[in-house]
Amino acid sequence: GQQLNQSPQSMFIQEGEDVSMNCTSSSIFNTWLWYKQDPGEGPVLLIALYKAGELTSNGRLTAQFGITRKDSFLNISASIPSDVGIYFCAGNRDDKIIFGKGTRLHILP
Amino acid sequence: DTAVSQTPKYLVTQMGNDKSIKCEQNLGHDTMYWYKQDSKKFLKIMFSYNNKELIINETVPNRFSPKSPDKAHLNLHINSLELGDSAVYFCASSPNPGTSGRARSYNEQFFGPGTRLTVL
Repeated sequence: GQQLNQSPQSMFIQEGEDVSMNCTSSSIFNTWLWYKQDPGEGPVLLIALYKAGELTSNGRLTAQFGITRKDSFLNISASIPSDVGIYFCAGNRDDKIIFGKGTRLHILP
Repeated sequence: DTAVSQTPKYLVTQMGNDKSIKCEQNLGHDTMYWYKQDSKKFLKIMFSYNNKELIINETVPNRFSPKSPDKAHLNLHINSLELGDSAVYFCASSPNPGTSGRARSYNEQFFGPGTRLTVL
């Protein structure tokens, strides 16, 4: 079946550092979405990408829809403590949505 | 204002019992979903309903049955609970009804807070 490979699985960074994570697939997707999940909460949509090559920002977050439509990345600049959580990519194709396995972001004190 | 709400937040029950989880959205969305998140935080879609019609039914045991009394509600009923059903269940909704009576887009889903089900 279709799979999304999300990496890295986890990250340990210092406050203030920039963060980069990505998702790749062997299949083409029509839409890429990035969500964040805080402990004990449901995922919250951060950025939605609808066109190949599209680059979209939301505050300190920037995401891009890969030109091949098989990948996407999410960057977080100047990380702060509240950035801690699990980040999920999701791809939409043929009326189906598939989630990546998440990237756990930890910020070291 | 609660956009997507679920009850209960926590559910602890014995194997073999039947239980229901309720979901309501006040966003006016036409499409609602149920997801299961396992202990490794892997999110998997179970069901999708568009305007009270079942659109997606992934490979889910038939012990799980979604029920949509109206387009603002999508409840999940689980029969004969098993240990492996322990997980966090999320309800979600999305605003795009699509065309031809079929949901074409799962973009911009709004998730509820989750129900943590523990089967003993």
